[in-house]
Amino acid sequence: DTAVSQTPKYLVTQMGNDKSIKCEQNLGHDTMYWYKQDSKKFLKIMFSYNNKELIINETVPNRFSPKSPDKAHLNLHINSLELGDSAVYFCASSQGVRDRGGEQFFGPGTRLTVL
Amino acid sequence: GENVEQHPSTLSVQEGDSAVIKCTYSDSASNYFPWYKQELGKRPQLIIDIRSNVGEKKDQRIAVTLNKTAKHFSLHITETQPEDSAVYFCAATSPRGYGQNFVFGPGTRLSVLP
Repeated sequence: DTAVSQTPKYLVTQMGNDKSIKCEQNLGHDTMYWYKQDSKKFLKIMFSYNNKELIINETVPNRFSPKSPDKAHLNLHINSLELGDSAVYFCASSQGVRDRGGEQFFGPGTRLTVL
Repeated sequence: GENVEQHPSTLSVQEGDSAVIKCTYSDSASNYFPWYKQELGKRPQLIIDIRSNVGEKKDQRIAVTLNKTAKHFSLHITETQPEDSAVYFCAATSPRGYGQNFVFGPGTRLSVLP
């Protein structure tokens, strides 16, 4: 069974469009994340939700809006796509106890190309 | 906020030699330090981790050391093999609300030459 899944795997779209990426985890974890990995391979956290509550919201344009309908899902919606949004987006989850830390599992990634 | 530095950015070694990658972090509240391996076109996968109450951990050919006082931790790979070639990321994790904040280093591209 896939632990963390994302759809779609590839997304090619025109500038100005709105798109969504979906993420689901079946590990029973309470925390989910979105990362952006650019062409230089930097892994930068964008958002994190713990039990559907936003706990991390890094400096990300407000065109990006995460939505967590329940603790097993964290979707990412992007409005008015720009060329600079082209990257691989990874979803991840962890069962972290705040004073101990826990392993983070990544989804397969969504390669977004904005033309 | 937390800042994680990682060196070197690229590393080439001969098969069978050892490889060492070093990371430093800034936030003394960080308490969990995972290392991830990312092969081309794939997701990052955990290879080893260490918690702040431990100084060293080993798993077969891979070991990690942590110096909390100096705020640095290192990955050691012995008897390297061509399949060890990948990008390696360190991360430092600190509590954030009821969850954790992961901050990743910029990565090290390791090439193992046959």
